[in-house]
Amino acid sequence: RKEVEQDPGPFNVPEGATVAFNCTYSNSASQSFFWYRQDCRKEPKLLMSVYSSGNEDGRFTAQLNRASQYISLLIRDSKLSDSATYLCVVKGWSFKTIFGAGTRLFVKA
Amino acid sequence: GAGVSQSPRYKVAKRGQDVALRCDPISGHVSLFWYQQALGQGPEFLTYFQNEAQLDKSGLPSDRFFAERPEGSVSTLKIQRTQQEDSAVYLCASSFSSEWGEKLFFGSGTQLSVL
Repeated sequence: RKEVEQDPGPFNVPEGATVAFNCTYSNSASQSFFWYRQDCRKEPKLLMSVYSSGNEDGRFTAQLNRASQYISLLIRDSKLSDSATYLCVVKGWSFKTIFGAGTRLFVKA
Repeated sequence: GAGVSQSPRYKVAKRGQDVALRCDPISGHVSLFWYQQALGQGPEFLTYFQNEAQLDKSGLPSDRFFAERPEGSVSTLKIQRTQQEDSAVYLCASSFSSEWGEKLFFGSGTQLSVL
């Protein structure tokens, strides 16, 4: 079983739609959680950190459920520019920062 | 420099050749990571440095892979006797500290093709 698992998608949604991604992690001792975004043939870039109480950044909302060991990302009012791969990232007590395989999102006009 | 710099951007190697990939992190960044990303997959952890100390190399696929960061800044990932399965994008990332919530800054990667 992989340490971080994501639905690979792709998710195909129209502009303006709301879309949600989930991610599960296996190490209950994990401490820090993030969502990164990766555009085609580009490097990953931090989208947002995920805090225990949940957090929002504009159209993006991230939530953490430690009991069930999953993280979610909600995107409201999808834009064409949101088309990318979304990577779930988990960091534990060790120095490893583990990436999921990513969920692909296509937003169409 | 302004960001993490990796070179070369592309590398084509014949099977059996040795290659060296360079990463120049953001000045002052303590932590440095190497990742391997196959097509359609997420980045897979290879190794981690805190300054010049290699604290975790558990992700290196075999003893053909070797990484160093002798002065705590520039790092080199060396792959000996390359094989076709080594073909991937190799990403380097750095962060200011090793704190839990610290953001990673990635370079553009080196795309390695082994023929």
